[in-house]
Amino acid sequence: DGGITQSPKYLFRKEGQNVTLSCEQNLNHDAMYWYRQDPGQGLRLIYYSQIVNDFQKGDIAEGYSVSREKKESFPLTVTSAQKNPTAFYLCASSWDNQGESFPTEAFFGQGTRLTVV
Amino acid sequence: AQSVTQLDSHVSVSEGTPVLLRCNYSSSYSPSLFWYVQHPNKGLQLLLKYTSAATLVKGINGFEAEFKKSETSFHLTKPSAHMSDAAEYFCVVTLWMDSSYKLIFGSGTRLLVRP
Repeated sequence: DGGITQSPKYLFRKEGQNVTLSCEQNLNHDAMYWYRQDPGQGLRLIYYSQIVNDFQKGDIAEGYSVSREKKESFPLTVTSAQKNPTAFYLCASSWDNQGESFPTEAFFGQGTRLTVV
Repeated sequence: AQSVTQLDSHVSVSEGTPVLLRCNYSSSYSPSLFWYVQHPNKGLQLLLKYTSAATLVKGINGFEAEFKKSETSFHLTKPSAHMSDAAEYFCVVTLWMDSSYKLIFGSGTRLLVRP
């Protein structure tokens, strides 16, 4: 079955540590996204990638880093520079929307809940 | 500015009664619009989408939404609420930025369904 998979589902980080969240999709989508969700708030865009080996900062990129070495994978690293990393992180993918007349919807993974301990 | 506003942070209905979740958008062009549902600690699932075809869009689980350009609205409705509909709902509008479309999320509406 095609889909988008995030792992782990729950992750605990000590102060000062870097952690990496995994996101894999087998939908053959070009575009991939990382969002952060805090209680009672909508989704905020961290990073996005429209093509392999290219990515752009979203609205809240500080303290995060990404890579896009393969079309299927878009891992997110939460660095020690991110002062408030406890949140629910969602990865999404979609068809490439560059120049398309009608943007398509995004497909979401099940999320990773990150907690700083 | 292009944005999306969900007018109610919480909506509470009794089981079997109609559901109305309100969404207004602001866009300088004819947008694509989506409604997503999120159950606790889960990802987002697409309920329905509007992409300039029919203005009344039918989605999954009995939900539907009507695109009203004159009112810049895309409200989500369901004739009869079920307990399993209790979740958070997000209205999403597209934004053309940096040579591609971006999805802009509303702040969400939490739907509570009373027995």
